Amino acid sequence: QVQLVQSGAEVKKPGASVKVSCKTSGYTFTDHGINWVRQAPGQGLEWMGWISTSNGHTDYAQRVQGRVTMTTDTSTNTAYMELRSLRSDDTAVYYCARVYYDYIWGSYRPRYSDSWGQGTLVTVSS
Amino acid sequence: DIQMTQSPSSLSASVGDSVTITCRASQTIRNYLNWYQQKAGKAPKLLISAASSLQSGVPSRFSGSGSGTDFTLTISSLQPEDFATYYCQQSFSYPPEFGGGTKVDI
Repeated sequence: QVQLVQSGAEVKKPGASVKVSCKTSGYTFTDHGINWVRQAPGQGLEWMGWISTSNGHTDYAQRVQGRVTMTTDTSTNTAYMELRSLRSDDTAVYYCARVYYDYIWGSYRPRYSDSWGQGTLVTVSS
Repeated sequence: DIQMTQSPSSLSASVGDSVTITCRASQTIRNYLNWYQQKAGKAPKLLISAASSLQSGVPSRFSGSGSGTDFTLTISSLQPEDFATYYCQQSFSYPPEFGGGTKVDI
């Protein structure tokens, strides 16, 4: 069965960086992309970006652009999300999710995520 | 950016009720609309993609409809396990924003 298993909770100080991993199994890793979505305490879902596992193409949300890097390791079927220059408002649960995407009108479009990791709590506090 | 507005933000209903949640996009998104269910402390679960395509394993009491800018998620005959927050998400253009969520209390 499809599984996405994320790394454990992190506590970071403002200005630091965090790297969350998402190890996948049960499907062909390069057949689907990986979305990253976060949820601040008591808040809604926020899309952060996605990566195509077949060619490494990425798209990031403007809010985190310049601070985030999404990568994959196809030898271990693992995706990574690194967020730098952490602020208190980056405190959230971070989710990875398998994403179906297509290529249309000359660009990639992530469409929907059918399998999700369990989430990783990242706390940013001095 | 396309803004997604869900209503209501919360509702209370009884077991057996039919519940409808609406999602409105600030511009046309054709049928590129997903619905997710999220229970407390858990990851979201995809219910419906492409506005009306029910995911495998999702009970048939869930249904989605709409196109363009106005969409609905209907839960017919609400069950106790349907207590959750529901989110719509557009996937027509970047960024693929989520709606603000609708919390369903039983």
